[in-house]
Amino acid sequence: KAGVTQTPRYLIKTRGQQVTLSCSPISGHRSVSWYQQTPGQGLQFLFEYFSETQRNKGNFPGRFSGRQFSNSRSEMNVSTLELGDSALYLCASRELTGAVEAFFGQGTRLTVV
Amino acid sequence: GESVGLHLPTLSVQEGDNSIINCAYSNSASDYFIWYKQESGKGPQFIIDIRSNMDKRQGQRVTVLLNKTVKHLSLQIAATQPGDSAVYFCAEKNQGGSEKLVFGKGTKLTVNP
Repeated sequence: KAGVTQTPRYLIKTRGQQVTLSCSPISGHRSVSWYQQTPGQGLQFLFEYFSETQRNKGNFPGRFSGRQFSNSRSEMNVSTLELGDSALYLCASRELTGAVEAFFGQGTRLTVV
Repeated sequence: GESVGLHLPTLSVQEGDNSIINCAYSNSASDYFIWYKQESGKGPQFIIDIRSNMDKRQGQRVTVLLNKTVKHLSLQIAATQPGDSAVYFCAEKNQGGSEKLVFGKGTKLTVNP
């Protein structure tokens, strides 16, 4: 069974631009969560989707948004990029909402210049 | 506010020794506590979890201890191997409410041959 796939692996964007990151969960997993990882703040929860519905949202500005499609694939979008948005963005999938074990992808390394 | 933290940012051990990684948490309402291992260039990997109504759980070469009185969690790795070198994160999850994971800052474990 393939793991969680995130694309692209690396991305360089300019301040003010917007970016879309993609996550394909493990087959059969319907819950997808996104996290931002930085050296200073560590791993921080962005949002979680289940059956195309956002169930939880972390403390991030409205520039951060996401969605989930009927095949459980998810995208997150960051608009009006700031230098501080440079981070590793991780996606995790769970088989069922409420399941404890989350499986993480390798992440997308976003650099904003 | 809720927070999960770690006592030490780095830990260096000799191969074959036992390792103990500690974590303090502040949210008494958390139902699950989870340890993740993150190797360089990879996403976090689930190691073991413990429910809040337990005080000890054992896996393969790993043991997690939970002390709810002092809000302390530890991960013990027996016979530490070079492949155990990674950053270890504790995380907490509230089963009844938000399903997000709240991560600690991480401890970097280095195993010396």
